[in-house]
Amino acid sequence: AQSVTQLGSHVSVSEGALVLLRCNYSSSVPPYLFWYVQYPNQGLQLLLKYTSAATLVKGINGFEAEFKKSETSFHLTKPSAHMSDAAEYFCAVSGRSGGGADGLTFGKGTHLIIQP
Amino acid sequence: EAQVTQNPRYLITVTGKKLTVTCSQNMNHEYMSWYRQDPGLGLRQIYYSMNVEVTDKGDVPEGYKVSRKEKRNFPLILESPSPNQTSLYFCASRSRGEKLFFGSGTQLSVL
Repeated sequence: AQSVTQLGSHVSVSEGALVLLRCNYSSSVPPYLFWYVQYPNQGLQLLLKYTSAATLVKGINGFEAEFKKSETSFHLTKPSAHMSDAAEYFCAVSGRSGGGADGLTFGKGTHLIIQP
Repeated sequence: EAQVTQNPRYLITVTGKKLTVTCSQNMNHEYMSWYRQDPGLGLRQIYYSMNVEVTDKGDVPEGYKVSRKEKRNFPLILESPSPNQTSLYFCASRSRGEKLFFGSGTQLSVL
């Protein structure tokens, strides 16, 4: 079985400050890992994904994440927060096949609040 | 434009009245899936389908049915809705190795 733990249901940062959203996973096979963003009243959009290539993955809107196998982590970062980054963020791990062909197991989400 | 289309966007119904939420994708994707999103619980998979006539249970399938008669459509059926099925529902699709494309969601309220 695979699972994802997102630390902190709410994270608040000041505009211009570093954004760090934490994600730890458990998987019995090499994982595929994803970060999705959900803006209010919208569906989910893929920010970035790790599929066993480079451990530092760059995504859209200036976000990046680093896969650390020893820590079973896939934390999401952005050097400088913008007001438009306020949203719900979900970390996810690939499903039962372990090869990315099936569905995703999502974390419970982290609501990112940007203070002016 | 590549998209996953869900209907309706909002639905209010009463306990026990059968309903169907439709989902259609125009990308010729083999894989389709339904999720429900609840506060504090994130997204949980209800059912998924690897291809036409191939469906399987996700993590929370109780009280739901699906069918996959055509590649583009994957309706979610609630035969006898109950208040604990009040939730935000998302349909998603993808081809092997690609990212998941999500629909805009269906907000369901069961009274």
